[in-house]
Amino acid sequence: GNSVTQMEGPVTLSEEAFLTINCTYTATGYPSLFWYVQYPGEGLQLLLKATKADDKGSNKGFEATYRKETTSFHLEKGSVQVSDSAVYFCALSDQDYGQNFVFGPGTRLSVLP
Amino acid sequence: NAGVTQTPKFQVLKTGQSMTLQCAQDMNHEYMSWYRQDPGMGLRLIHYSVGAGITDQGEVPNGYNVSRSTTEDFPLRLLSAAPSQTSVYFCASSYRASGPNEQFFGPGTRLTVL
Repeated sequence: GNSVTQMEGPVTLSEEAFLTINCTYTATGYPSLFWYVQYPGEGLQLLLKATKADDKGSNKGFEATYRKETTSFHLEKGSVQVSDSAVYFCALSDQDYGQNFVFGPGTRLSVLP
Repeated sequence: NAGVTQTPKFQVLKTGQSMTLQCAQDMNHEYMSWYRQDPGMGLRLIHYSVGAGITDQGEVPNGYNVSRSTTEDFPLRLLSAAPSQTSVYFCASSYRASGPNEQFFGPGTRLTVL
């Protein structure tokens, strides 16, 4: 079946550091890929998405590129802020089966001033 | 536009008790789903619905029932609560049941079963 693997962390960075959170996936079809973010005490919010190979999703300074050849969707940000402290989830949706998302375990990011 | 709402925010149950977690959305979304979030395991799908009157099981459906009598509401019922059901529960919805559509999440219900 489909699955998502991501580094679990926690990841602790200083403000303005470069961020990479790795995500790889296994899927039988041609999934869409997502990054969701969860701030403390809140539900998940969509951060960015990509629907086909070589697509780049971007939002709020975060980027991720859909790499079919390496089955990866790594999240990057050039300069993190304290307000980026949250849990980040990589997820896939199998287009052949509609909306049944598969989530990774989440990566907790703490950014120190 | 309230989005996806869930009640209650917190709940403590004793083993064997039953309860219903409420979920509603006001966006006329076709698809609704319930997840549970446990440490180190991400979110796991419990049940989902692709429209009023249609529900199906997800990855971890045992011990839970759902129904979808209206487009707006998708309650999750715990029939006989067990400590293994201690978790944070999220309801989510999206406009269509197929395709790469964004899922909108509620704020969650934190459930403790003693």
